[in-house]
Amino acid sequence: NAGVMQNPRHLVRRRGQEARLRCSPVKGHSHVYWYRQLPEEGLKFMVYLQKENIIDESGMPKERFSAEFPKEGPSILRIQQVVRGDSAAYFCASSSLITDTQYFGPGTRLTVL
Amino acid sequence: EDQVTQSPEALRLQEGESSSLNCSYTVSGLRGLFWYRQDPGKGPEFLFTLYSAGEEKEKERLKATLTKKESFLHITAPKPEDSATYLCAVQSPRDTDKLIFGTGTRLQVFP
Repeated sequence: NAGVMQNPRHLVRRRGQEARLRCSPVKGHSHVYWYRQLPEEGLKFMVYLQKENIIDESGMPKERFSAEFPKEGPSILRIQQVVRGDSAAYFCASSSLITDTQYFGPGTRLTVL
Repeated sequence: EDQVTQSPEALRLQEGESSSLNCSYTVSGLRGLFWYRQDPGKGPEFLFTLYSAGEEKEKERLKATLTKKESFLHITAPKPEDSATYLCAVQSPRDTDKLIFGTGTRLQVFP
């Protein structure tokens, strides 16, 4: 039973580059959530997606950030033109239609130099 | 605005010394309250879901309880391997499925 998988686990980018974070949900889960955890802060919701649909992006910055969950393949969180303030741990979680429990992946730790 | 406050921020216990962690919440109707455990450098690990006041759930040395304003995570006779950050989160029926997290309680259990 594979849980939520995220890659890469660690990502280093220079200011102005793009960061792509991938998330494969638990097999059979159709709901994906992205959260961000800044140093010494709590987890903050960013976006909630179902297959091919963005359900709630109220926590995602309006500029430079985008997310998708295509019909085939993993969910992608994309950050364009990264800045130092984007350095954080990004966690993906998934849930199924029949449970509201969200299961989290190991996270991607993004460092912007 | 929906909010979750956890206390204390940090807790140091001797092995075997029982204690409780608090999670206070303000939300317009509670759809569910969730407890997670997070080890350094890892993702949150699901522990419990509570839905209504008076509900209790247990797992090994952990017991979670819920009232209309707060939840407690009771740790009985803790062991060093219980050391972690414990996170509380709520879901509101007004919102989509997003979780609103507290900042956590960092627990250290010494032998």
